[in-house]
Amino acid sequence: DTAVSQTPKYLVTQMGNDKSIKCEQNLGHDTMYWYKQDSKKFLKIMFSYNNKELIINETVPNRFSPKSPDKAHLNLHINSLELGDSAVYFCASSRWGGSEAFFGQGTRLTVV
Amino acid sequence: DQQVKQNSPSLSVQEGRISILNCDYTNSMFDYFLWYKKYPAEGPTFLISISSIKDKNEDGRFTVFLNKSAKHLSLHIVPSQPGDSAVYFCAARGSGGYQKVTFGTGTKLQVIP
Repeated sequence: DTAVSQTPKYLVTQMGNDKSIKCEQNLGHDTMYWYKQDSKKFLKIMFSYNNKELIINETVPNRFSPKSPDKAHLNLHINSLELGDSAVYFCASSRWGGSEAFFGQGTRLTVV
Repeated sequence: DQQVKQNSPSLSVQEGRISILNCDYTNSMFDYFLWYKKYPAEGPTFLISISSIKDKNEDGRFTVFLNKSAKHLSLHIVPSQPGDSAVYFCAARGSGGYQKVTFGTGTKLQVIP
């Protein structure tokens, strides 16, 4: 039974499109995250939610908007996709902010 | 500004030998450190952590050492096994309240049978 699941696993789309990535965790964790791993393999935090409340919002373009309908879900919506958005996006969760996180398998986004 | 650095992008070790992965950090406010392992096409998996009040933490074949004065930590894997071949990320978190976790760039470990 997958602890942190994100869909889709692969996403290929054209520039200018809007897309969403969904994430769900069944671990009962309070904190959820979105990370981006770029072509240089840097793993950088984008957003963090604690009990549906936005805690961390790194320097991310406004085209990226996270939505947390409940504690177990954190979706990522991206508007007007650009070539530079191509990356692997990881969802993660933890019991509290900054503790050991459980990661999803990643979504490889390719913008063409 | 990369506050957590893993200067060795790759490392090859013979099976049965010790693997030593190194990590340096620049932010003296970091007080909690983690290591993650990542296989291709999978998300990172938590491996071991250490608080700044300790200088060593051990879990089976994995030991993390922390040298606060040098702002350096290392992960030792003994004995190394082929299944340990993966990318290892060092990560660090600041103290006080909610703090984000900063990741290093990773070291790819290859354990040769």
